[in-house]
Amino acid sequence: AQSVTQLDSQVPVFEEAPVELRCNYSSSVSVYLFWYVQYPNQGLQLLLKYLSGSTLVESINGFEAEFNKSQTSFHLRKPSVHISDTAEYFCAVIRSGNTGKLIFGQGTTLQVKP
Amino acid sequence: GAGVSQSPRYKVAKRGQDVALRCDPISGHVSLFWYQQALGQGPEFLTYFQNEAQLDKSGLPSDRFFAERPEGSVSTLKIQRTQQEDSAVYLCASSSQDRGLGEAFFGQGTRLTVV
Repeated sequence: AQSVTQLDSQVPVFEEAPVELRCNYSSSVSVYLFWYVQYPNQGLQLLLKYLSGSTLVESINGFEAEFNKSQTSFHLRKPSVHISDTAEYFCAVIRSGNTGKLIFGQGTTLQVKP
Repeated sequence: GAGVSQSPRYKVAKRGQDVALRCDPISGHVSLFWYQQALGQGPEFLTYFQNEAQLDKSGLPSDRFFAERPEGSVSTLKIQRTQQEDSAVYLCASSSQDRGLGEAFFGQGTRLTVV
C-alpha cells in the first residue's frame, strides 16, 4: 500500500521568510507527485507536479519542489512567502499505471504572519 | 460553467435519510473523481469515471454509497441510510486527460452533516 506523510500539520512563518513544507511517500512502484493548495473558501488547486524529467519543478508563484527518489520525498519550498500564501497545502501521489486517483497527505496549514 | 460545480454546497441529513450529491464537471472532461474529506484530513478517493464507465470504485466505504455518470458528464453520488460517520466534505474533480495525469480541477465540495 502507498501512503503520503506530511510531517507538519501547521507551519507558522513571518512574511518574507523562507518556508519548507515536508512530504514523504511510500510506494513499491513508481509514482507521480503533486502539490495542491486550498485557499480559504476555495476549492483545491494544482500548485505543481512532477511526472518525469527534471526533478526540480516550479510553480508560477515562486514555489518549487524537488523529487528525491532515494529519500522518497517531495518537499515544497519558497524563499520568501507573502501573506497571500496563507492556505492549506496537500501533497499527493498517483501510482504509475493506476487510474489516476490521487492519494493525499493530511495537509499542512501555512500561516503567514505580518 | 468555467469550473467544476457541486450542489448543494451544504446538506444536513437526519440519520437514516438518503442523500444525493451532484457534480457538474468541466465540459468535455473525460475523467471524473469523487473524494471524501473528513475534518482535519486530506481527501480520500472514493470512485473514478472515464466518461460514463465507472472504472474504479475501490474507495467506496460501503454498499450504501453509489455513484453514477450515465451520460458521461454530470455525476451523482448517492448515500443511502446516512450515518454520522458519513459527515464530511465530498469533493468532485474532473480532468481532461485519461487516468487523471493532467491537472485535476476540483469543485468547492458539498459539506454533509448527518445529525
